[in-house]
This record gives sequence, structure tokens and C-alpha cells, in this order.
Amino acid sequence: DTEVTQTPKHLVMGMTNKKSLKCEQHMGHRAMYWYKQKAKKPPELMFVYSYEKLSINESVPSRFSPECPNSSLLNLHLHALQPEDSALYLCASSRTYSNQPQHFGDGTRLSIL
Amino acid sequence: DAKTTQPNSMESNEEEPVHLPCNHSTISGTDYIHWYRQLPSQGPEYVIHGLTSNVNNRMASLAIAEDRKSSTLILHRATLRDAAVYYCILRDPSRGNTGKLIFGQGTTLQVKP
Repeated sequence: DTEVTQTPKHLVMGMTNKKSLKCEQHMGHRAMYWYKQKAKKPPELMFVYSYEKLSINESVPSRFSPECPNSSLLNLHLHALQPEDSALYLCASSRTYSNQPQHFGDGTRLSIL
Repeated sequence: DAKTTQPNSMESNEEEPVHLPCNHSTISGTDYIHWYRQLPSQGPEYVIHGLTSNVNNRMASLAIAEDRKSSTLILHRATLRDAAVYYCILRDPSRGNTGKLIFGQGTTLQVKP
């Protein structure tokens, strides 16, 4: 059972569309993460939020815009994506931004037409 | 950051023990050894972590070499559900970026009935 819930599970969008990915956790975790995973590759970190503030942006293009409206919710706003952005987008959370285990959702599979 | 080396793939028979090796010859004294696994169509899942001593939990055991340059994840009785990619990751809580999980290529474990 996954304690980090991601919606939608699948998303197909055109290059001119605007859409958002949503991630929710109710474990009281104060660190939340976005990862990108291409097929048959390991996950790569995109963003880290710690106590609702953006801590790390791993040089992600501005067409990806993260948002953390409260401690339970993390969004990833998408605009003008490219076909190479097609991937599995994973959300994770941990109690704090530290050595503690991260809990992952099952991801949103994104396809850009 | 210290690197880890894992075999690309391993095979096991169901109900037999599995020993998944990880080499980390440049490990620092403050690096923790973490293991995650990713089952097909799911997000990564925390398995276990340790610093110096061997560790056990309900999922697995972690055996750490005395010089800490290698470690082994032990699944005591493999089931078909254990077929996954297993990632060995080093994390240093003394560094500011310890919240980062930097995934290597991992070991793909196949379990045969």
C-alpha cells in the first residue's frame, strides 16, 4: 500500500497544453521530492521541498514549475513540454530532508505528443 | 560523492536465499549504506540501511564488510514478488545534500519459480 498518492496515473498532453501533476501524503512528512525516470533508467532528482520551501532545483527547465501549497501537497505544473519530457514522474516524501528513508508514490506516466 | 558498483543482473530460485552485492571502495566514514528496490510499475521502496553493523528488518538483512568497502543485501527466502531492481546508495548525513538519493543503475533480480 502506497502512502504517497499521485494523480493522475497516466497523462497524455500536447506540447502546447498546460497540466499539473499532484502528490499527496498524510504522514506528517516535511520534505517532499519530485523525480523523473526515463524507461530502463534510474530515477533522477528534480526538486526538493523542505518545510514547504524549495530547497533544491537540479537545473530543471522552467517548463516544469513545482509548487508546495501546504505540508501535505506537492504539485508539478507543466507547460510547453517537449517529447523528450515523456517519462515517469515520481513523488516522494520523508520526515525531514535528511538521511531518513524516502517514501515514493507509484508515479505519473506522462506522454507528450 | 562516493560511488557504488553493482552487478547489472542476478537470478535466483524461488524460496532460496539471495545475496545482492554492492562495492563502495571510496566510502567515507560518515556514509550510510541504503538499499531501495523498485518493483515493476511501482515507485522505489526503502528496504534497509546501515552504517557499520549488520542490520536486520522484516524485509531483509544488510551485511557490511569490516572495512566497509562492500556490503551485501540478503533476502532470506526469495519470492516471485522480490523480482525488482535493487539500488545500493550511499548517503552522508553530515553533508548538506544528504536528502538527495542518487540512484545508480542497480541490479535487476529475476526470481525463477
